[in-house]
Amino acid sequence: GAVVSQHPSRVICKSGTSVKIECRSLDFQATTMFWYRQFPKQSLMLMATSNEGSKATYEQGVEKDKFLINHASLTLSTLTVASAHPEDSSFYICSATEGAGAYEAFFGQGTRLTVV
Amino acid sequence: DQQVKQNSPSLSVQEGRISILNCDYTNSMFDYFLWYKKYPAEGPTFLISISSIKDKNEDGRFTVFLNKSAKHLSLHIVPSQPGDSAVYFCAASADGGTSYGKLTFGQGTILTVHP
Repeated sequence: GAVVSQHPSRVICKSGTSVKIECRSLDFQATTMFWYRQFPKQSLMLMATSNEGSKATYEQGVEKDKFLINHASLTLSTLTVASAHPEDSSFYICSATEGAGAYEAFFGQGTRLTVV
Repeated sequence: DQQVKQNSPSLSVQEGRISILNCDYTNSMFDYFLWYKKYPAEGPTFLISISSIKDKNEDGRFTVFLNKSAKHLSLHIVPSQPGDSAVYFCAASADGGTSYGKLTFGQGTILTVHP
C-alpha cells in the first residue's frame, strides 16, 4: 500500500508554545489528507479534512484557530497546535488516500504530543 | 452519537482458532467499510475492506462479512496467530465525493492470541 510518513513521532513541549506536525505522502500525491486524534483507550476522532490549495474543513467542536492546518503541496500537510495546553496532549494521526475515488486511507505513524 | 460501535472491548483466542471481531453501525449512508489493525503508539494499518454492494470479501486469513439489513459487519481471522494480537478498528465511510477517505471509527477491540 501507499506510504504516509508523519513527523515527529513524539514531542514534548511547554504550555503556551506551538507545535508543528508534518504529514507526507511518500510515493503518491494526495489532494486530500485527514487529521485524527486519539485519547487513551478511545477511538480515533476525525479533526479536519486538509485540502490541497484551499482551506481545511473542520469537524464540529474542533477549534480552527488552535489547530492550524496547511496543505501547501500535493505531498505535504501540516498541523500546528497553537499555544498548546496540557489538555491538548494526545496522539495525533494523519491519513491520505491514493487517487480520486479511493476509500482506503493510509495512515502515518502518529505523533504523541505531551504538553507540560 | 457513536455511529460505529464495537461492543467487545477485548477478545482472547487460542492460536490456530478463529477470531471473530464484530462491528455495528447506525448510519445508513455508510457504503464502504474497512478494518484496521493498530499497535500502541503507531498509526493504523489497513487490513481489508468491503463495499456495501457485497456481503463478503476475503484476503488470505482475513474475511469480512457484511449484513446490510442488520447494519453489522464482522472480521474473521483464521487461523489466528500470536502476531495478530493488536487493537482492531472497524471504520466506515459515507458516499464518495468529498467523503472519500473520511472515516468514522469504532472504539476498537483488543485481540489477544495465545500461543
